[in-house]
Amino acid sequence: DAGITQSPRYKITETGRQVTLMCHQTWSHSYMFWYRQDLGHGLRLIYYSAAADITDKGEVPDGYVVSRSKTENFPLTLESATRSQTSVYFCASSGAQETQYFGPGTRLLVL
Amino acid sequence: LAKTTQPISMDSYEGQEVNITCSHNNIATNDYITWYQQFPSQGPRFIIQGYKTKVTNEVASLFIPADRKSSTLSLPRVSLSDTAVYYCLVALYMDSNYQLIWGAGTKLIIKP
Repeated sequence: DAGITQSPRYKITETGRQVTLMCHQTWSHSYMFWYRQDLGHGLRLIYYSAAADITDKGEVPDGYVVSRSKTENFPLTLESATRSQTSVYFCASSGAQETQYFGPGTRLLVL
Repeated sequence: LAKTTQPISMDSYEGQEVNITCSHNNIATNDYITWYQQFPSQGPRFIIQGYKTKVTNEVASLFIPADRKSSTLSLPRVSLSDTAVYYCLVALYMDSNYQLIWGAGTKLIIKP
């Protein structure tokens, strides 16, 4: 099916472990984004990518790494997970630079 | 620095028109304003977008005054299913950098 998907949908990990969240879109959108949304709060941009092999920091990039070797994929890696990274992570994509389409989210719990 | 401000919460009744205003300063002529709707446990969903005057689609209208220091999302004849959090977003291009300025969200509760 066309659209934007995220995996896993739920993840429990331990402090210090490396975790990778996957995002895949089928629209060939040039822009992709990663956000975190803490319980009861708004969205904060972690990283974004304007095209394959082009990434840029957002508001809260520390502790995260991204890559974009293919247009359709934009994985987010937590190099050494901390409890403060417990959150819901949303991936989004955009053909134009303003209209973003969001995935269903990944709920991450770091113990 | 650009910033967006919107009310934390609002409530209304079924069948009423609801207007949610987002204040934003320091935005350029071609910077777009976009509104999203978010239900619990879901990702935000695009509602409407514009950069000047008035835009209308099948679900909402967006009003942007000439000074572009605010924008108002208008939801006509709301129903219980419009209960959600609404976010405004301003996308800015400054110093070859792409900045996304999200509002903190307005929790809209529709009562029967």
